[in-house]
Amino acid sequence: GDSVTQMEGPVTLSEEAFLTINCTYTATGYPSLFWYVQYPGEGLQLLLKATKADDKGSNKGFEATYRKETTSFHLEKGSVQVSDSAVYFCALLGTGANSKLTFGKGITLSVRP
Amino acid sequence: DGGITQSPKYLFRKEGQNVTLSCEQNLNHDAMYWYRQDPGQGLRLIYYSQIVNDFQKGDIAEGYSVSREKKESFPLTVTSAQKNPTAFYLCASSMTSQGALYGYTFGSGTRLTVV
Repeated sequence: GDSVTQMEGPVTLSEEAFLTINCTYTATGYPSLFWYVQYPGEGLQLLLKATKADDKGSNKGFEATYRKETTSFHLEKGSVQVSDSAVYFCALLGTGANSKLTFGKGITLSVRP
Repeated sequence: DGGITQSPKYLFRKEGQNVTLSCEQNLNHDAMYWYRQDPGQGLRLIYYSQIVNDFQKGDIAEGYSVSREKKESFPLTVTSAQKNPTAFYLCASSMTSQGALYGYTFGSGTRLTVV
């Protein structure tokens, strides 16, 4: 079945550091890929998405490129801020008619001033 | 503003009690979902519904029940058969069962604690 693997956390960075959060997936065909963010005590918000190979999703300075050859969708940001501290989830939607979002385990990012 | 409302935000349950978590949306979305979140385990799907009066089990449905009598509402009951109910519960909705192409909308969650 479909699955998503995220790098182990937590991750702690200083403000203005470069961020990479790795995400790889297993799925048949060409799934859609997503990054969601969860701020403390809240639900999840869609951060960005990509629906086909080589697409780049971007939002709020974050970017991720759909790499079919490496089955990856790594999240990057050039300069993190304290306000980026949150839990980040990678997710995929398979191509089957009844597919639902499958999430990775999430990774906690803490940015210190 | 359109969105999903979950209530209550915090809920305490005694051993052996059933409790019901509310989820209401005014987005006119067809599909609704319940996820359970535990530390280090991500989100796991409990139940989902693609249309009124129809719902399907997700990956961890045992000990839970749902109903979908109205398009706007998808309440989740945590029964006494659920042996480890303490968790954060998230409700979500999407335009159609394939609506993740447009993004799921999530509620702010209910934290359930067994006391």
